[in-house]
Amino acid sequence: EAGVTQFPSHSVIEKGQTVTLRCDPISGHDNLYWYRRVMGKEIKFLLHFVKESKQDESGMPNNRFLAERTGGTYSTLKVQPAELEDSGVYFCASSQELGLMVGTGELFFGEGSRLTVL
Amino acid sequence: KNEVEQSPQNLTAQEGEFITINCSYSVGISALHWLQQHPGGGIVSLFMLSSGKKKHGRLIATINIQEKHSSLHITASHPRDSAVYICAVGTGNQFYFGTGTSLTVIP
Repeated sequence: EAGVTQFPSHSVIEKGQTVTLRCDPISGHDNLYWYRRVMGKEIKFLLHFVKESKQDESGMPNNRFLAERTGGTYSTLKVQPAELEDSGVYFCASSQELGLMVGTGELFFGEGSRLTVL
Repeated sequence: KNEVEQSPQNLTAQEGEFITINCSYSVGISALHWLQQHPGGGIVSLFMLSSGKKKHGRLIATINIQEKHSSLHITASHPRDSAVYICAVGTGNQFYFGTGTSLTVIP
């Protein structure tokens, strides 16, 4: 069975440009999470989908970030326009939780998408 | 102060040593996860626990709910155990992550 896949693995863009990251969760997993790690910091939660619905997007840093999960399958995270402080590794994870209780299902992570904003 | 604190931040051990990594948290949890990240690699889930102890091979994870503390133990450490170990706490609403413990096991 395929794991969580993310694309691209590395993206280098200039400040002001747009980047779209994609995550394909494990088939059948309703829960999809986006996280990011900026240099030297801990991994931070960005948002959580249950199927196609945003369950919690309290971690999204600002309105330059837009996440979608149309049809409840893959998800995209768009950064527009990108700023220097957006550089980091963006991880996606999926799980099948017990109801809506975040944290009760084993997390499966993708390899991450490294974003470098110059 | 982070919701999840790990110690130590960095750890170097000789092959064969017994290793302990600690995690303390300040939030109410639904489950605590121990994750492993190899250099340049993705993140792998090692354990998910909400009480007691779990064992998988040379890895043992324990949690004390009253003290809000968990430990990850590695017995008979090996160079291939070198990685970053991350404690993550699910609260029912979202996850909080520790900053990770970078472990290097020297042959």
